[in-house]
Amino acid sequence: ETGVTQTPRHLVMGMTNKKSLKCEQHLGHNAMYWYKQSAKKPLELMFVYNFKEQTENNSVPSRFSPECPNSSHLFLHLHTLQPEDSALYLCASSQEGRGEETQYFGPGTRLLVL
Amino acid sequence: SQKIEQNSEALNIQEGKTATLTCNYTNYSPAYLQWYRQDPGRGPVFLLLIRENEKEKRKERLKVTFDTTLKQSLFHITASQPADSATYLCALGAYNQGGKLIFGQGTELSVKP
Repeated sequence: ETGVTQTPRHLVMGMTNKKSLKCEQHLGHNAMYWYKQSAKKPLELMFVYNFKEQTENNSVPSRFSPECPNSSHLFLHLHTLQPEDSALYLCASSQEGRGEETQYFGPGTRLLVL
Repeated sequence: SQKIEQNSEALNIQEGKTATLTCNYTNYSPAYLQWYRQDPGRGPVFLLLIRENEKEKRKERLKVTFDTTLKQSLFHITASQPADSATYLCALGAYNQGGKLIFGQGTELSVKP
C-alpha cells in the first residue's frame, strides 16, 4: 500500500445526484492532488492543495468542488455531472519543499455517470 | 503548449528480452523526469527519477536515460519478466512548479512467457 487511501473505490451516479469522493494520506505530506484519468489519455491535474490552501485549479468545471479540511484529508464533491465525467479519479500526496517531489497515489475511484 | 508523447502503441516482448519505452516532450524544459508504473485498477507507483544534469540512472533491472538536447527519455527493463507487464508513465517536473508534474499518456507493456 502507498499510504494513500480513497473511498469509494467504485461509484455509479446519475446526472442529478450529489456525491463525494474521499482521500486520506497517512504519510505526513503537506501537498495533495486530484487527477482525472480517462482511457488512453494522460493524467489530467484538477486541483492542488499545499498546506490546506488551494494553489491550482486547472480550469475544472464548477460541478467539481474540492475541499481540504486539513493536510491529511481531501474531498471532491460532485454534483450534476455529465457522462463524459466518467473516469478514474486519482488522489495523490507529496512532501513539498525538496524540489523533486515524488507523488504517492491512492488506488483511485472508478466513476460512472449515467 | 507543453506536450509529452510516449510510445503510442502497446509494446509486446518476449520474456528475457529488454523492453525500451520512449518519452518525448516539446515546449518544456524540465528540471527532472520521473517514471511511474500503473497496474490495472490501481494508482501509479513511482519507480525512478532522473535530473536534467544526469545522463543515466539505474535501479536493479531498470535504466533511465535523459537527453535534454533530443528532449527524450528512454526507459529500459532488462531481463523482462511477465510480472513487468503494466502501463508505464513518464512525468516531467520543474523546480518552480510547486511539485506539479505533467504526465504522458503511458505505454502498455506486455511481457509474454
